[in-house]
Amino acid sequence: GAGVSQSPRYKVAKRGQDVALRCDPISGHVSLFWYQQALGQGPEFLTYFQNEAQLDKSGLPSDRFFAERPEGSVSTLKIQRTQQEDSAVYLCASNAVPIVISGTEAFFGQGTRLTVV
Amino acid sequence: DAKTTQPPSMDCAEGRAANLPCNHSTISGNEYVYWYRQIHSQGPQYIIHGLKNNETNEMASLIITEDRKSSTLILPHATLRDTAVYYCIGNNAGNMLTFGGGTRLMVKP
Repeated sequence: GAGVSQSPRYKVAKRGQDVALRCDPISGHVSLFWYQQALGQGPEFLTYFQNEAQLDKSGLPSDRFFAERPEGSVSTLKIQRTQQEDSAVYLCASNAVPIVISGTEAFFGQGTRLTVV
Repeated sequence: DAKTTQPPSMDCAEGRAANLPCNHSTISGNEYVYWYRQIHSQGPQYIIHGLKNNETNEMASLIITEDRKSSTLILPHATLRDTAVYYCIGNNAGNMLTFGGGTRLMVKP
């Protein structure tokens, strides 16, 4: 596709349930980012991949959060034993070049709205 | 990333120019100024970015002061569809985008 695609668009999970959120970046894009956006706030960084390598996971809030990008394209963000505070929009972004190259733009998907009940 | 300061909200009349200010007094020499916007229930959309010189594209113009401590995003003819939260971000290579609170622009008929 032409843009970053995320699925599902909406997810309702019962507290304690595991969820998996998918991101299809723009084809050929090297960099992939996950962000979390709480209601009324700006997006906050979670983790960064350069191809299949997860180079930065400093923003992951707990060890219940896990991300992977095994073949350097599609990425999955998994949240285990979901809690109510995990309710947020999860955004994926991709960039054509590695993050060390400045002056380029990242493109975002529509996000997945996760509601934990 | 440089800390940026933006007004929390602004109004603009439809068809008029919308001028969105951003202060980034701590920006370093190699940090670009990026602007993104987020329309309700959508992901952030890239608008424009610049380093030192003013920039223009099909969406907007970016005016950066000579000392680089502030910038202004200009939407030349605002439409109702430009109603969104606009984020100004200072960013250099090796850093992830750090979003602040942004400016909520309301374009009114």
